[in-house]
Amino acid sequence: DTAVSQTPKYLVTQMGNDKSIKCEQNLGHDTMYWYKQDSKKFLKIMFSYNNKELIINETVPNRFSPKSPDKAHLNLHINSLELGDSAVYFCASSPRGQGIGGELFFGEGSRLTVL
Amino acid sequence: GDSVTQMEGPVTLSEEAFLTINCTYTATGYPSLFWYVQYPGEGLQLLLKATKADDKGSNKGFEATYRKETTSFHLEKGSVQVSDSAVYFCALSALTGNQFYFGTGTSLTVIP
Repeated sequence: DTAVSQTPKYLVTQMGNDKSIKCEQNLGHDTMYWYKQDSKKFLKIMFSYNNKELIINETVPNRFSPKSPDKAHLNLHINSLELGDSAVYFCASSPRGQGIGGELFFGEGSRLTVL
Repeated sequence: GDSVTQMEGPVTLSEEAFLTINCTYTATGYPSLFWYVQYPGEGLQLLLKATKADDKGSNKGFEATYRKETTSFHLEKGSVQVSDSAVYFCALSALTGNQFYFGTGTSLTVIP
């Protein structure tokens, strides 16, 4: 079983469309994240949820809306897609309160291409 | 604020060469330090970690030592293989909260 799974793995869509990426983790972790990786491999934190509560909300356009129906799932919805949204989006999870010693577990990524 | 600075790439080495990728950090208190590796087309996976000063993390022949006096966590491997070709990320986990800070990544290519 994949620990952190994201779907879909690839998304190709037109500008202006709306799309969603789903993430599920079966590790029993309390905290989940969305990261954006650009073409230069730079990783940027977007959001973090701890047991369904939003705890990190970086400077991200409000076209991006995360939703966590339960602590095992964190979805990302993107409205009115723009060319600059093309990137690989990674979901990750970690145990709660693990600022010390814990680690992030990443999904395989969802490559979004906006045409 | 907390941050990580790592050596810019790309780095190209011949097989069996010695590898060093430099990483320094800025943090309040004593964070945990990590090296993640990203193979082509895959997500990031933990390579090694260290949670306190002077700890040495090691895995798959890679090593890094948590140096508080120089605020560094340099990644080393004595003899690289073609299969080590990947992007390597240094990261720290803040003392409080659930925030991780990543370096910009260093691309390594090992040629036969």
